[in-house]
Amino acid sequence: KAGVTQTPRYLIKTRGQQVTLSCSPISGHRSVSWYQQTPGQGLQFLFEYFSETQRNKGNFPGRFSGRQFSNSRSEMNVSTLELGDSALYLCASSPWTSGGITGELFFGEGSRLTVL
Amino acid sequence: DQQVKQNSPSLSVQEGRISILNCDYTNSMFDYFLWYKKYPAEGPTFLISISSIKDKNEDGRFTVFLNKSAKHLSLHIVPSQPGDSAVYFCAASARNSGGSNYKLTFGKGTLLTVNP
Repeated sequence: KAGVTQTPRYLIKTRGQQVTLSCSPISGHRSVSWYQQTPGQGLQFLFEYFSETQRNKGNFPGRFSGRQFSNSRSEMNVSTLELGDSALYLCASSPWTSGGITGELFFGEGSRLTVL
Repeated sequence: DQQVKQNSPSLSVQEGRISILNCDYTNSMFDYFLWYKKYPAEGPTFLISISSIKDKNEDGRFTVFLNKSAKHLSLHIVPSQPGDSAVYFCAASARNSGGSNYKLTFGKGTLLTVNP
């Protein structure tokens, strides 16, 4: 069974630009979450989608947005990039449908974003 | 406000000995806890979880202990192996915090080094 796939793996942008990251979940998984990992803050929750609906959102500015498609693939977008957006962006999928977290998240390898 | 704390940024142990990684939380609504391991340039990998209705869960060399009154959990690895060297993250979820909650709150991680 293929794991969670994230593209691109590495990218470099400059301040003010925008970026789109893509995530393909494990087949059959309909819940997709996004996390930001930075050395100072650890892993921080961005948002979670299920059946194209955002169910939870973390404490990030509106420059961070996401969406999920009918095939459960997800994208996240960061507009007007700032230096502090440099981070590893991790996508995770799970088979959860309702009732909250009942098991593990399966993480991808991440997209490493560097903002210059 | 850091709701999940891993106060030891690093831990070094000898191969064959026990590794004990600690995690404290402040949110009394947390009722499900997970441990993840992360190697550089890879996504986090699930290790073990525990529900708040239990105080211990064991899986092979890994055991997680939960002390709800102290809001403290620990991960024991026995015996430790050099391949266990990685960053370990504690994570928590509040499944019953009103509505569906699919957010994991992570600690900042502890770097475990197992010396041969």
